[in-house]
Amino acid sequence: QVQLVQSGAEVKKPGSSVKVSCETSGDTFHKYSIGWVRQAPGQGLEWMGGVIPFLDSAKYAQKFRGRLTITAAESTGTAYMELSSLRLDDTAVYYCATFYSNYFNYWGQGTRVTVSS
Amino acid sequence: DIQMTQSPSSVSASVGDRVTITCRASQDISRWLTWYQQKPGKAPVLLIFAASNLQSGVPSRFSGSGSGTDFTLTISSLQPEDFATYFCQQSDTSPWTFGQGTKVEIK
Repeated sequence: QVQLVQSGAEVKKPGSSVKVSCETSGDTFHKYSIGWVRQAPGQGLEWMGGVIPFLDSAKYAQKFRGRLTITAAESTGTAYMELSSLRLDDTAVYYCATFYSNYFNYWGQGTRVTVSS
Repeated sequence: DIQMTQSPSSVSASVGDRVTITCRASQDISRWLTWYQQKPGKAPVLLIFAASNLQSGVPSRFSGSGSGTDFTLTISSLQPEDFATYFCQQSDTSPWTFGQGTKVEIK
């Protein structure tokens, strides 16, 4: 059974950075790419980007290029999402999810990131 | 970016009702359409992939259809545990985009 366990909630100041981790189970890294999706309060879902762990190859939505970095540590089976230059409207729940054959099949529990001055 | 438009944005229904949700893509996405269910405070759950394929473990009262630009999710007989928000998502062209969601509420 695939499990994705994310790091805990964060509170950040505008202009700072946040790094969220996503620990996977078993051989997840060899089967799936890992994507990151966020959801602002009361809003819909927004794909941010993803990484193919065994290729260490990341792809980003244009909206986040320049301030988003997604990495994967194959030795620990952990993926990371780092968002810099945080703004108030980056307040959201951030999810990692496995991406298989063009859909997200397993999801982490979500990490709430609050950006507040 | 491909825009995904769901309708209705919310629907009130009773247990046992048949519920249909529509998702329209701004351009042809073939059958690269996925449906998710999300309950408050929880992560989305995969229901249907490639427009009409039921994910393992998902009850057969859920079904999906469509291709090109128009898709539907149907719940044949609504159960209490089905009250949730449903999202569609296209994976034909990056960036992957989602519909705004349809909230299924108790009538």
